Amino acid sequence: AIQLTQSPSSLSASVGDRVTITCRASQGISSALAWYQQKPGKAPKLLIYAASNLESGVPSRFSGSGSGTDSTLTISSLQPEDFATYYCQQFNSYPHFGQGTRLEI
Amino acid sequence: QVQLQESGPGLVKPSQTLSLTCTVSGGSISRGSYHWSWIRQPAGKGLEWIGRIHTSGGTNYNPSLKSRVSISIDTSKSQFSLKLTSVTAADTAVYYCARGVITGDLYYFDYWGQGTLVTVSS
Repeated sequence: AIQLTQSPSSLSASVGDRVTITCRASQGISSALAWYQQKPGKAPKLLIYAASNLESGVPSRFSGSGSGTDSTLTISSLQPEDFATYYCQQFNSYPHFGQGTRLEI
Repeated sequence: QVQLQESGPGLVKPSQTLSLTCTVSGGSISRGSYHWSWIRQPAGKGLEWIGRIHTSGGTNYNPSLKSRVSISIDTSKSQFSLKLTSVTAADTAVYYCARGVITGDLYYFDYWGQGTLVTVSS
C-alpha cells in the first residue's frame, strides 16, 4: 500500500512567516494530491486538490505544487487562523492520508 | 451548499455493532460523479478512510477493515450508513462522513460532516 510521509511532523512558526510542508508518496502521482486543514474539534477542510488547484474560498496565501513523488503546501504569510494541523491525501486503490503536520505558534 | 450530518449512538459496547447514518442536504446524493465516504480519527491521531459507496450501490472498503464494514445508501432519504461489527476499544474515534470527488486520477473530499464521537466501552 502507498505511504504518504509528511515532513515535518510539527512546526513552530510566527505570524507573517512563510511555511512549507512536504508530502512524499512511496508511489503514485504527486499531481493527484490533496491538502486539508484541520483545527481542533473540527472536520478537515479541503484547501488544495490536484496538487496545485486552490479550492474555492481558500485564501491565495495557500499554494501547492508537485513533482515526481513529492508535493508541497506553502503558506506565504502565516495568519493567526492558519495554526492548525495539515494533512495530505492521495488515492491509490483507496484514499490514503499522511500522518499530519501540526503547525504551532 | 452541500451539508453532511452524522447521527447515531455515541456509545457502543465491545463486540457489538457500530451504526451511523449520514444525512446529505443542499444537494442531490444521486447526482454527479461523487462517492460517499466514511473516515475516522482516533483522539490525537490521523485520519483513516473506512470505505465509500456510489449511488449505484457499488462499494469499496479499506482492506484493514473490510471484514467488519458495510456501507449502504438510501437515495430516497439522502442518507448513507455505516455498520462496523465486532467493535473493540480500538474503534473509538470521531467518525466523519464526506463527499468524495473523482475525476481521472484525482480523488479528494470536498464536503465533510462535523464528525461524531463514538466510544466503545462497556
